[in-house]
Amino acid sequence: GQQVMQIPQYQHVQEGEDFTTYCNSSTTLSNIQWYKQRPGGHPVFLIQLVKSGEVKKQKRLTFQFGEAKKNSSLHITATQTTDVGTYFCAGGSGGSNYKLTFGKGTLLTVNP
Amino acid sequence: NAGVTQTPKFQVLKTGQSMTLQCAQDMNHEYMSWYRQDPGMGLRLIHYSVGAGITDQGEVPNGYNVSRSTTEDFPLRLLSAAPSQTSVYFCASSYSPTLGNQPQHFGDGTRLSIL
Repeated sequence: GQQVMQIPQYQHVQEGEDFTTYCNSSTTLSNIQWYKQRPGGHPVFLIQLVKSGEVKKQKRLTFQFGEAKKNSSLHITATQTTDVGTYFCAGGSGGSNYKLTFGKGTLLTVNP
Repeated sequence: NAGVTQTPKFQVLKTGQSMTLQCAQDMNHEYMSWYRQDPGMGLRLIHYSVGAGITDQGEVPNGYNVSRSTTEDFPLRLLSAAPSQTSVYFCASSYSPTLGNQPQHFGDGTRLSIL
């Protein structure tokens, strides 16, 4: 079955440093979604990418979808303490396969 | 709109007991799903439904049953609880699967401990 690997598992940064998490799929994806989960909370949708090579930005967050649609990344510029949480990618195969496969997530902690 | 509502928020069970985790959404979403979240394991899909009367298995369905008699409700039943089912359970919904994968709206979760 489809597998989605996410690295690193943990990342600790000083406030103001940049952060990147990477997501790799064993199969070609139809789309990829990114979620953020604050400690003790539930996952919250951030963005969806569907096109090969797509790049989207949300303020300090930059999301990329690889040309082969098998990998993706989330980059945060100049982290803030409010960025603390676990970031998940979730890949969809599309068509009649309605399931999303989540990566294990990257836990980001930020030292003020 | 309340979004996705899960009850209870916390539950402690004894091995062998059964229970139902409730999930309701008021957004008229066709797609609903149940995930379990364990430390270091991310979110794993248990069961999902693309509409009333239709359910299918996810990655880890054993020990769980679901039904979808209405668009709004998608309960998850534990038939005979086992310690390995200790986890945080999230219900999620999205608009229409026929449009492709849609953003998932998650409930607040049910924290379940089985002794």
